[in-house]
This record gives sequence, C-alpha cells and structure tokens, in this order.
Amino acid sequence: EPEVTQTPSHQVTQMGQEVILRCVPISNHLYFYWYRQILGQKVEFLVSFYNNEISEKSEIFDDQFSVERPDGSNFTLKIRSTKLEDSAMYFCASSEIGSIEKLFFGSGTQLSVL
Amino acid sequence: RKEVEQDPGPFNVPEGATVAFNCTYSNSASQSFFWYRQDCRKEPKLLMSVYSSGNEDGRFTAQLNRASQYISLLIRDSKLSDSATYLCVVNPLTGGYNKLIFGAGTRLAVHP
Repeated sequence: EPEVTQTPSHQVTQMGQEVILRCVPISNHLYFYWYRQILGQKVEFLVSFYNNEISEKSEIFDDQFSVERPDGSNFTLKIRSTKLEDSAMYFCASSEIGSIEKLFFGSGTQLSVL
Repeated sequence: RKEVEQDPGPFNVPEGATVAFNCTYSNSASQSFFWYRQDCRKEPKLLMSVYSSGNEDGRFTAQLNRASQYISLLIRDSKLSDSATYLCVVNPLTGGYNKLIFGAGTRLAVHP
C-alpha cells in the first residue's frame, strides 16, 4: 500500500535554529498538509497546500513557518527560528483529488527544541 | 466552547465488551465527520467516515445527529487490539478548503 514518508523520524535542535522537515506524499496525490501534535494534546492543523500554493493556514502557522514543494516529490516544512514551544510531533498528510477528505498521514517527525 | 469535544476517558473494558464513545462539535455548518484511531505516538489512521444515515463497518458503528451536533462510535465485541485513542474529527469545509479539526481523543484500554 502506498504511504506518506517523513524524514527524519526524530530531530533535535537548539532554540533559534532553523529546521526543515521533509515529506514525500503519495505519488498521485495533489493535496498536501502539515499537522502537529504537542505531547498530550490534540492534533492541530497547520497548513494545506495545493497547486503550488498555500490553500489555508492556521493561526499557528505564523511567519516563522513556510512550506515548499521544491521538486515533484518532496513537500517540506521549514521553521526559521525554532522556539521551545515548537517541540511537537509533526505529521505530513496527503489526499487525492477525487477524495480530498481521505487523508493519509505519515508516521511523523518528533521535533525537540532545546 | 471547544470546536470538537470528547470524553478523554480512559475507558477500561474487558474483551468482548461493547463500548460507546461520544463527541460534540460546535460548528453547525460542518460538512464531514470521521473517526480516526491513534496508537501511542503514531500517526492518526482513518477508522471510518460518519454519515447522517449511520454506517457500520464490521464491529464498528458510527452515527451522526446533525440537529444535536453529536457523533457517536460503538465498538462491539472489543478486542485487545482495539486499545488505542479514538479521535473524533470534523471537516468544516468552510470556503471549500479541506481542514480537519481533531478532538483530543478518547482512550480505550481493552483488558483480557
């Protein structure tokens, strides 16, 4: 079964550093998303991306965050200057045009900001 | 009021038991509803969509009451492998955008 892959599985960084989280969505999917889950809390929407542009973003997704699809396969989330409160599990997801509501999630990247 | 509200549990039940989870949502214009399952520190996985007419998938039955803004999930004949957190998820589809709103989840522990 096709799957969304995320790298790395764990990322440790110092506060103020830039991090890039990488995702390879399922190949025929056209909608891409980032969600995050702080330990012990609910899964929260960050951003959706379609046709090479952001479709919608949440209040969490401020100027420190950006997304990019640098080539035909990767989808990245960049945090420019990490804060302690950015520590969370970040999930990438994708969906196909005929079934946009059915999201397939990657296994996540655990980001720890020290 | 929270956008999606669930009883956090945990629900501790013996194998073979029937257990029901409830969820309420605040946005009456919400269009689509789902139950996801999340194992500890893993990604959410779609369990089933929820329709107004109710739907069943094996041991799992989901119901939606739009008037009360209420969603339910019933698990019959619980298995040890059903132990997980069950997430009530709403897609408001406002403006045509696809954005899932997750509840905090209800923990289920099935014991022998």
